Amino acid sequence: AQSVTQPDIHITVSEGASLELRCNYSYGATPYLFWYVQSPGQGLQLLLKYFSGDTLVQGIKGFEAEFKRSQSSFNLRKPSVHWSDAAEYFCAVGRTSYDKVIFGPGTSLSVIP
Amino acid sequence: DAGVIQSPRHEVTEMGQEVTLRCKPISGHDYLFWYRQTMMRGLELLIYFNNNVPIDDSGMPEDRFSAKMPNASFSTLKIQPSEPRDSAVYFCASSLGTSGRETQYFGPGTRLLVL
Repeated sequence: AQSVTQPDIHITVSEGASLELRCNYSYGATPYLFWYVQSPGQGLQLLLKYFSGDTLVQGIKGFEAEFKRSQSSFNLRKPSVHWSDAAEYFCAVGRTSYDKVIFGPGTSLSVIP
Repeated sequence: DAGVIQSPRHEVTEMGQEVTLRCKPISGHDYLFWYRQTMMRGLELLIYFNNNVPIDDSGMPEDRFSAKMPNASFSTLKIQPSEPRDSAVYFCASSLGTSGRETQYFGPGTRLLVL
């Protein structure tokens, strides 16, 4: 069965510092991979997604993610974090002809001014 | 488009009472999902519909929970009777096409507190 792990429950970074959030998945074939962000009191919003092709994916708000098949990873990065990036980040995995998307447990990001 | 609309945004009720949560998906979307989010269990898929038909309700915790989608623009999640452990944020999401690859659009959620 497919699964998603996010090893870091909580991360704190200083504003302006770089960020990397880790995501590992378990699935036999190439999955569809997503990163969603949840701001406090809000629903989830898609940041970016990967289906195929270029393994470096650009998303909204200056985020990018890199798919590494050999490591079964899809880590999210941002070169310079802004205070407004403080939120919960969810990695998710889906697959062809399967309706459900499996969400990871989430990583909570705090940003220090 | 207004996005996915959920009501109420907050609900406080007493144990044993019936609770009904409502969702209006994005017009034209053919998939609708109900999720529950808690600190302990994270984001859980409860049930989802395709073209108003329930496809998978394996995530519904027990018979006290039921969901309906009488038409393409409206769905309800009902808890009867409610219990304190049902306290959570309930999200509705919709998507267009097979959701294994399509973006899900989430509503703002209903924060439920059962006393």
